[in-house]
Amino acid sequence: EVQLVESGGGLVQPGGSLRLSCAASGFAFVGYGMIWVRQVPGKGLEWVSSITGGGGVTYYADSVKGRFSISRDNSKDTLYLQMNSLRAEDTALYYCVKDLGGWPFYFEYWGQGTLVTVSS
Amino acid sequence: QSALTQPASVSGSPGQSITISCTGTSSDIGSYRYVSWYQQHPGKAPKFMIFDVSNRPSGVSDRFSGSKSGNTASLTISGLQAEDEADYYCSSYTSTSTWVFGGGTKLTVL
Repeated sequence: EVQLVESGGGLVQPGGSLRLSCAASGFAFVGYGMIWVRQVPGKGLEWVSSITGGGGVTYYADSVKGRFSISRDNSKDTLYLQMNSLRAEDTALYYCVKDLGGWPFYFEYWGQGTLVTVSS
Repeated sequence: QSALTQPASVSGSPGQSITISCTGTSSDIGSYRYVSWYQQHPGKAPKFMIFDVSNRPSGVSDRFSGSKSGNTASLTISGLQAEDEADYYCSSYTSTSTWVFGGGTKLTVL
């Protein structure tokens, strides 16, 4: 059974940093792209960033480019999102998502999310 | 990376069929068959329902079907059931190697 467990969310001041983690299990982690998607409570979904299985290629939404960095440690089956220069508009529930396999990425399995709140 | 356009809400009675539209541009839906749909119940994570415009992942009911014409994709749910009441989101791959979601549609089963 695929399991994705996010952690690292919390309250941070504007301009601050946070690193999210996602522990994956139940599948061959290195063989799949991984994605971060966020959702402001009560609002819609927003794609944030994606990374290929080997970690060599990354993609970012314009809204986070230059501030966020996606990475993965395939020896630990863990996905990360380093978030710097955080803004109030980054406040959201951040989901870790497993790709279906193949290209382009599809959002097959979702974790339960970790909440990030940016506020002074 | 503008969001795809979906109706805010749709409704239908049990047993009926409904269709949710998702309008994009020639840079996303119009250029690729890389459209997917997701169902989200309140307080839950989204569920993967449709990919490649019209393909269903294993375990998804065949009451759910997808199609595309030009810059607009559609999700049709036939034989509406109470459990179908949820928010639905479309998504597309884009020409700039990014992904975009629709704003979401709230389905009410009357």
